[in-house]
Amino acid sequence: DAGVIQSPRHEVTEMGQEVTLRCKPISGHNSLFWYRQTMMRGLELLIYFNNNVPIDDSGMPEDRFSAKMPNASFSTLKIQPSEPRDSAVYFCASSFQGENTIYFGEGSWLTVV
Amino acid sequence: DAKTTQPPSMDCAEGRAANLPCNHSTISGNEYVYWYRQIHSQGPQYIIHGLKNNETNEMASLIITEDRKSSTLILPHATLRDTAVYYCIASPNYGQNFVFGPGTRLSVLP
Repeated sequence: DAGVIQSPRHEVTEMGQEVTLRCKPISGHNSLFWYRQTMMRGLELLIYFNNNVPIDDSGMPEDRFSAKMPNASFSTLKIQPSEPRDSAVYFCASSFQGENTIYFGEGSWLTVV
Repeated sequence: DAKTTQPPSMDCAEGRAANLPCNHSTISGNEYVYWYRQIHSQGPQYIIHGLKNNETNEMASLIITEDRKSSTLILPHATLRDTAVYYCIASPNYGQNFVFGPGTRLSVLP
């Protein structure tokens, strides 16, 4: 299996621009998670989905952030408009509900200037 | 979820066992202990988990005290590639409530 696939791996964008991060979970997994990692706050859970349905988005920082999962094999995390403080590594992870292991992608490194 | 406490950093000589401690004194009966590690510039990687009994897999061993208030992750023969940040997490389920603390930065020295 190719693992959790994220794109883009690196993105540099200007403040105010829209950013879309993409994730393909491991085939057969039915839970998907978006995390954000910064030096100051460490790894934070932003939102997670079960069977394509958002279950808990309490970690989403503000209305500028939105996440969708239109089908079992694809999810997006969108930031509009982006701000410099959104600069971070965004990780997508997936798991099979009932198992105790979640698998992370390699992350999307976002820099907003 | 129970809070976990880990030392911020540790060193280990290559080829020796690395013993990484974790305190989780408020752990509930239904909370598992999970260990993940994050090698620089990569996503966190699952290592091992346990509830009450000691566990071993191809990567590591997990020793949980009888009162479950602390645990130790053991890498039996550390290599330079084991240099990473190691996270100990106590959670009743498998991802929704994972709270990653600052972890322990393990440096394996040649």
